[in-house]
Amino acid sequence: DTGVSQDPRHKITKRGQNVTFRCDPISEHNRLYWYRQTLGQGPEFLTYFQNEAQLEKSRLLSDRFSAERPKGSFSTLEIQRTEQGDSAMYLCASSLATVANYGYTFGSGTRLTVV
Amino acid sequence: AQTVTQSQPEMSVQEAETVTLSCTYDTSENNYYLFWYKQPPSRQMILVIRQEAYKQQNATENRFSVNFQKAAKSFSLKISDSQLGDTAMYFCAFMKQEEYGNKLVFGAGTILRVKS
Repeated sequence: DTGVSQDPRHKITKRGQNVTFRCDPISEHNRLYWYRQTLGQGPEFLTYFQNEAQLEKSRLLSDRFSAERPKGSFSTLEIQRTEQGDSAMYLCASSLATVANYGYTFGSGTRLTVV
Repeated sequence: AQTVTQSQPEMSVQEAETVTLSCTYDTSENNYYLFWYKQPPSRQMILVIRQEAYKQQNATENRFSVNFQKAAKSFSLKISDSQLGDTAMYFCAFMKQEEYGNKLVFGAGTILRVKS
């Protein structure tokens, strides 16, 4: 069990560029969550998957954001035409659906800076 | 919608002493779960303690304990015998009881500094 892995750890991009982040959950976990954490704030829910199905998206997830989880394994979060307001830490977490109410395992996050 | 409020942006405590972090929340739900997560600098968030709303008994995990007051919608975290490794951002979080989703709603966090 290597935990939840996120790549890259840091990303600096110019405004208007597209970026993609990857999350590898704990292998037997069928639930995968994405959260966004801005400076001085707690994480906010973006979206979640159960297996390969994306079951819920927050209103925070504008149409510039897209997430996938092909084959129910790793997940990617893409942001198109990045804006300075997208600068944040993007956290991935995973869990077994049956015990999700016990909390999840978080990754270390990808810190995005849009310049 | 649920909200979680942590009114202490920063706290400090001397090593070996006890500190209490405050959290209040607002919900119309009767069944839910409450959590405290710890986020050390540049490291991943880890679960500290969990409380089920239908249980009156306060949860404890070694040096960590909670004071859960359901009627007051209050959920404070007490850290006893504070250690330097407890230095971190602490988040209080709410989870509604539901079959799908199990989304966490976080407070803004409290930075705790343990001084030697």
